[in-house]
Amino acid sequence: EAGVVQSPRYKIIEKKQPVAFWCNPISGHNTLYWYLQNLGQGPELLIRYENEEAVDDSQLPKDRFSAERLKGVDSTLKIQPAELGDSAVYLCASSRGTGSFNEQFFGPGTRLTVL
Amino acid sequence: AQSVTQLDSQVPVFEEAPVELRCNYSSSVSVYLFWYVQYPNQGLQLLLKYLSGSTLVKGINGFEAEFNKSQTSFHLRKPSVHISDTAEYFCAVTSNRDDKIIFGKGTRLHILP
Repeated sequence: EAGVVQSPRYKIIEKKQPVAFWCNPISGHNTLYWYLQNLGQGPELLIRYENEEAVDDSQLPKDRFSAERLKGVDSTLKIQPAELGDSAVYLCASSRGTGSFNEQFFGPGTRLTVL
Repeated sequence: AQSVTQLDSQVPVFEEAPVELRCNYSSSVSVYLFWYVQYPNQGLQLLLKYLSGSTLVKGINGFEAEFNKSQTSFHLRKPSVHISDTAEYFCAVTSNRDDKIIFGKGTRLHILP
């Protein structure tokens, strides 16, 4: 089966510009996660979806970040406007079940550089 | 609140030598524990997980980990490493009362020829 697909793989933008990331989870996985991974750190959850509902967005900086998962499949994460500190890898993951004990399958990530 | 500490940011080891990557956790409730591996320019991949039962858990690629409740540890071991094991390894914790998984900062494994 195909893995989690993310695009683009790399993105370079100037500060104050908008940027969007796209994720296609594994077919049949109803739970989708967006993580932020700073250099030398582990992934940190930004938002978790169960189907099309955002069930945990407590760590999403809502002044500049937004996300959507229309129809409970693909998802997009947007930053507007981007700041220098947003430079990081943005990871998307999916799992079949809703419990935190379920294995999460990760995409390769989008490496964002803000100049 | 739960937390996880990976005591070593980098571990160098000679090829075919054994390795142990250390992980300690903090939690007031029963935990589920994971080790994920991240190869260069790839996403994370599950190596193994402890949910319940036997405290010695075997995973993919010859790795195993032992859950030690009294020491709140979940160290990862491999008896003989290969150059292909070069990667970053993340320990993670969650519980049945939490929907969020907490990752450690990672340990970079360097295999020396």
